[in-house]
Amino acid sequence: EVQLVESGGGLVQPGGSLRLSCAASGFTFSSYEMNWVRQAPGKGLEWVSYISSSGSTIYYADSVKGRFTISRDNAKNSLYLQMNSLRAEDTAVYYCAVLVPAARSNWFDPWGQGTLVTVSS
Amino acid sequence: NFMLTQPHSVSESPGKTVTISCTGSSGSIASNYVQWYQQRPGSAPTTVIYEDNQRPSGVPDRFSGSIDSSSNSASLTISGLKTEDEADYYCQSYDSSNKAVFGGGTQLTVL
Repeated sequence: EVQLVESGGGLVQPGGSLRLSCAASGFTFSSYEMNWVRQAPGKGLEWVSYISSSGSTIYYADSVKGRFTISRDNAKNSLYLQMNSLRAEDTAVYYCAVLVPAARSNWFDPWGQGTLVTVSS
Repeated sequence: NFMLTQPHSVSESPGKTVTISCTGSSGSIASNYVQWYQQRPGSAPTTVIYEDNQRPSGVPDRFSGSIDSSSNSASLTISGLKTEDEADYYCQSYDSSNKAVFGGGTQLTVL
């Protein structure tokens, strides 16, 4: 069974840092591109970051560029998101998601259950 | 910046058919494929449509997707509505930089 388990969320003060982890199992993690997607309380989904299967290609949303760093360890079947200079508007549930390569496009599936990050003083 | 706009909410009765729209802000929505995700309260999203109109295995054929180039929009249609279909639905595509973009989400109420 494919499983993604996020961890590392919690309460942090504005300006602080947090590192999220996503442990993958049930599939060949090293073969798949991965993403972080977040959802602020009561709001919609917002794509945050993408990393290729090898880690050589990385993209960020403009809202987090320069503050967040995505990485992966294929030997440990794990995805990470280092979040620095956190702001109140970064408060959200953070999901990791596999990017499924289909014939003509890519889609997110499955998603983890998410980890809540709260930025507040 | 490329944006996808969805109605905030829709409602319909059990057994009926409902359509949720997703309109692209610029360019042609047909130039990048559209996915649709269902999110029930307290749960992670799951895919109901990918590549405009393809259903993942396990998704019932009551769910269908389409593209209307004339209105630059994608649509998710759910027929034979069931109470279990009550959820938030998000469209998703890609911008010109190949970055994922989500619509604002539509809350479906089945009453």
